[in-house]
Amino acid sequence: EIVLTQSPGTLSLSPGERATLSCRASQSVSSSYLAWYQQKPGQAPRPLIYGASSRATGIPDRFSGSGSGTDFTLTISRLEPEDFAVYYCQQYGSSPETFGQGTKVEIK
Amino acid sequence: QVQLVQSGAGVKKPGSSVKVSCKASGGSFSSYSITWVRQAPGQGLEWMGGIIPIFGTTNYAQKFQGRVTITADESTSTAYMELSSLRSEDTAVYYCARGRLLNYDSSGYYLGWFDPWGQGALVIVSS
Repeated sequence: EIVLTQSPGTLSLSPGERATLSCRASQSVSSSYLAWYQQKPGQAPRPLIYGASSRATGIPDRFSGSGSGTDFTLTISRLEPEDFAVYYCQQYGSSPETFGQGTKVEIK
Repeated sequence: QVQLVQSGAGVKKPGSSVKVSCKASGGSFSSYSITWVRQAPGQGLEWMGGIIPIFGTTNYAQKFQGRVTITADESTSTAYMELSSLRSEDTAVYYCARGRLLNYDSSGYYLGWFDPWGQGALVIVSS
């Protein structure tokens, strides 16, 4: 089973700042089969990125994904008030599909 | 746009079972997977398993093997997740999500990312 470790656990930033979230896999994720989701309190997760770097439908271009192998990054170029949430990575390179434990982006 | 609407939330007794449904409307159902993910209070996301209705293929997380059954009814575009022998640790929000069939894994199942998600069903296990 591929274990995904996200860091940091919490990121305290101000609106307008850049956020950099990390997702590290215990084994290489084949073909960059990695996705990112955003979850706000009381809501279901919303997909942001798939294939490590492709934005899902309707996702603004301030969200970008990068990485391959075992190291992946989600970057939010300039935080908007609606971006403060919890972010999860998920790999679908091998079964079982697994999620990271999440990174909370909070207002500083 | 496909939408997933869940039902089956509620309070259950320890040792009993719960069956949560997930009905798809407005889009394709059979040629994707339907995956179930749960989230305990204040915790992260945990993949439980899924089904590909067009093939009838299922894939379960080892943790839930023997306790979870995922089925689908193509005629009503509805998937079901039944979890038995409930214990307090099963208290969680249970989500269904539609998965892309992108990666044919050695397990004999297609893996993919999940979009859209249902609204979630809160199951509380308490005596």
